[in-house]
Amino acid sequence: ILNVEQSPQSLHVQEGDSTNFTCSFPSSNFYALHWYRWETAKSPKALFVMTLNGDEKKKGRISATLNTKEGYSYLYIKGSQPEDSATYLCAFNNAGNMLTFGGGTRLMVKP
Amino acid sequence: DSGVTQTPKHLITATGQRVTLRCSPRSGDLSVYWYQQSLDQGLQFLIQYYNGEERAKGNILERFSAQQFPDLHSELNLSSLELGDSALYFCASSVETRGERFFGPGTRLTVL
Repeated sequence: ILNVEQSPQSLHVQEGDSTNFTCSFPSSNFYALHWYRWETAKSPKALFVMTLNGDEKKKGRISATLNTKEGYSYLYIKGSQPEDSATYLCAFNNAGNMLTFGGGTRLMVKP
Repeated sequence: DSGVTQTPKHLITATGQRVTLRCSPRSGDLSVYWYQQSLDQGLQFLIQYYNGEERAKGNILERFSAQQFPDLHSELNLSSLELGDSALYFCASSVETRGERFFGPGTRLTVL
């Protein structure tokens, strides 16, 4: 059983705050690390797929970093907006091609 | 809209019954994945098919089976249903196994 852990489980921030979440995953058999955004009543949508140690990806106000040697990834949101409210999932893709999801971080941004 | 379609959207059935969930992947995607999301649980990987063949298996119960057809659509069959099988079942597809998953809208199964 692959252990993919996310923290915190939930987070309440004020509009304009910057925030970050952590995803930890096994450091062996690494293939890729995915981040997904899952809004209520919708389906998960990919934000980033990261494959190389030291990778940094950015999409608008959201960015992510990857450390495969120590088995963690950070997702950052700069200047949170109410529309950023969602559950953010990370998923570890091992060499066996399975994608194991973490439990998610539920972000709520108050106007 | 991800391009992945799932039917039906909702399904209500009784314990002991059998149901079939259907998924059509994005055009060109050869891989199809099935996931289950139960109350208070994360997304659990069930099974993957690639171009008609089973590629990887996760926590799929023996009462559940799946297949991928020549036109690449996939079906997930759930039999001898129990109350605990009530969940949201997602299908996803991808171009390659390392690539991002494109999720369908899900099928909400309620077993009464």
